[in-house]
Amino acid sequence: EVQLVESGGGLVQPGGSLRLSCAASGFTFSSYAMSWVRQAPGKGLEWVSAISGSGGSTYYADSVKGRFTISRDNSKNTLYLQMNSLRAEDTAVYYCAKPSNGHYYYYYMDVWGKGTTVTVSS
Amino acid sequence: DIQMTQSPSTLSASVGDRVTITCRASQSISSWLAWYQQKPGKAPKLLIYKASSLESGVPSRFSGSGSGTEFTLTISSLQPDDFATYYCQQYNSYPKFGQGTKVEIK
Repeated sequence: EVQLVESGGGLVQPGGSLRLSCAASGFTFSSYAMSWVRQAPGKGLEWVSAISGSGGSTYYADSVKGRFTISRDNSKNTLYLQMNSLRAEDTAVYYCAKPSNGHYYYYYMDVWGKGTTVTVSS
Repeated sequence: DIQMTQSPSTLSASVGDRVTITCRASQSISSWLAWYQQKPGKAPKLLIYKASSLESGVPSRFSGSGSGTEFTLTISSLQPDDFATYYCQQYNSYPKFGQGTKVEIK
């Protein structure tokens, strides 16, 4: 069974940092680009960042560019999102998602994790 | 950037109703459009890809159509399990979601 399990969310003060993880199983992780998508309370879905299967290419939404860093460890089948300089507007559920076509990070996402909640507040 | 606009934002309907949700792209995206269903507290679930292809396991009462800039998601006979929020996503480039359409009980 293909599965994605996020962890690492929590309460952090504005300006603080947090690292999210996503453990993948049931598919050849290194063959797939991966994405993070977030959803602020009561709001819609927003794509945040993506990384190629090799990890050599990364992509970011303008709203997080320069503050967030996506990475992966293919030996551990794990995706990461390092979030620095956090703001109140980063408060959201963060989902890890797998595109149906591993070569294209922007493809539709056929597998999603259950999400991890990040709250930025003093 | 391509913008995705869904309408309506909220839709009130009854069980058995035929429901149609529209998604418009600010420029042509060919058929590179997906639809998702999301229930409160849950992750999105893929329903439709490539504008009209039904994801495996999704009931046949769901259908998608359109190309270019205008797309529709239709539920032929609304069931109690279908009350949820629906999102479109373009994947021509840079994943971009519509703002969502909440289907609520009338």
